[in-house]
Amino acid sequence: TQLLEQSPQFLSIQEGENLTVYCNSSSVFSSLQWYRQEPGEGPVLLVTVVTGGEVKKLKRLTFQFGDARKDSSLHITAAQPGDTGLYLCAGDYGGSQGNLIFGKGTKLSVKP
Amino acid sequence: EAQVTQNPRYLITVTGKKLTVTCSQNMNHEYMSWYRQDPGLGLRQIYYSMNVEVTDKGDVPEGYKVSRKEKRNFPLILESPSPNQTSLYFCASSYKGVPDTQYFGPGTRLTVL
Repeated sequence: TQLLEQSPQFLSIQEGENLTVYCNSSSVFSSLQWYRQEPGEGPVLLVTVVTGGEVKKLKRLTFQFGDARKDSSLHITAAQPGDTGLYLCAGDYGGSQGNLIFGKGTKLSVKP
Repeated sequence: EAQVTQNPRYLITVTGKKLTVTCSQNMNHEYMSWYRQDPGLGLRQIYYSMNVEVTDKGDVPEGYKVSRKEKRNFPLILESPSPNQTSLYFCASSYKGVPDTQYFGPGTRLTVL
């Protein structure tokens, strides 16, 4: 079974601070996705990255895919309470178009 | 409204009593999948289906069955539930699989006593 390590597991910060969440594997991804999940709901896709070195921005969120396609990061600038939630990375190792492996998630709490 | 629906949303049952959790999508997606989410273990894929009559095991298929007789429906069947299947279950669909956007249902919280 492929493993996808996500860190940190928990993060509690004040409004206005910056933060970075990491997603790492010993294997190469064909693609990697980041999702956000709020309590009582299913995950919602934030971004998909497929090219090594790719950087994508979504307002205050910046997503980076490592050059070797084994790692990814999510950086949030000036976090707001509305950013609170569970952030999940999910990797596709290319063996099948159906098998998606999720990290265990980073639970982010942004206090006003 | 484009959506994935699951029923029931909450279920408490007893060991050994067969149950089915339904999943339906209205987006004409070819791909559907089931996950379970447990504290400390994250989301783990149970089964997935690339199209009608095509299903494959995910990472934790033991104790579960699925069927895909119609494009829009992908029920999850627990023939003989056990307490270790107590979990939060999510159904998801996408156009043609990974890495297309996965659309998740609202979840079904299952408790097996």
